[in-house]
Amino acid sequence: SYVLTQPPSVSVAPGKTAGITCGGNNIETKSVHWYQQKPGQAPVLVIYYDSDRPSGIPERFSGSNSGNTATLTISTVEAGDEADYYCQVWDRSSDHVVFGGGTKLTVL
Amino acid sequence: EVQLVESGGALVQPGGSLRLSCAASGFTFISHWMHWVRQAPGKGLVWVSRIKSDGTITNYADSVKGRFTISRDNAKNTLYLQMTSLRAEDTAVYFCVRDGGADFFDNWGQGTLVTVSS
Repeated sequence: SYVLTQPPSVSVAPGKTAGITCGGNNIETKSVHWYQQKPGQAPVLVIYYDSDRPSGIPERFSGSNSGNTATLTISTVEAGDEADYYCQVWDRSSDHVVFGGGTKLTVL
Repeated sequence: EVQLVESGGALVQPGGSLRLSCAASGFTFISHWMHWVRQAPGKGLVWVSRIKSDGTITNYADSVKGRFTISRDNAKNTLYLQMTSLRAEDTAVYFCVRDGGADFFDNWGQGTLVTVSS
């Protein structure tokens, strides 16, 4: 089955740029979606179709997908961005949704 | 406003059964695929199952296939998850999720907790 690999944690200072990676075999052939989850809350979609932003999501959130790695980039990071972030794809070969293991973003 | 409200979570013994419900409102329910996603305490998100808008197609994660059944009642705008032969590893918060159109999740319920323990 298809596997998505994320770093367990990423740390960034306020005002800087954070990059969270999501690795998968030839992931560029799939559409990657990203979710933000704060403690005790349901996840929220922040990026879909690799780089599209839902309404209400700040422009500071952006995404890219190339080769074997998709990346969620958060620019000018704020304390309120501290959360767990998950990437997700649809694996057509198995008819399964696949999530990455999640990355905890810490704002220093 | 889209609302997804799960119910039915409970403490159940290993081997037991439980049915979760998700009441949907604020959108045209019959137009959307729907999913269940779960999250064990302190762990990541895991997809469980999905069902087509008209109920004719269903898919399951390998870990629940043969034990869980997803269904929907479009007249009642309600999604269900029938869970049988429950195991300790099924302990999790179960989220009802709306498919945004291509297997991404644009709206989530707040979740309902299922605890499997003796």
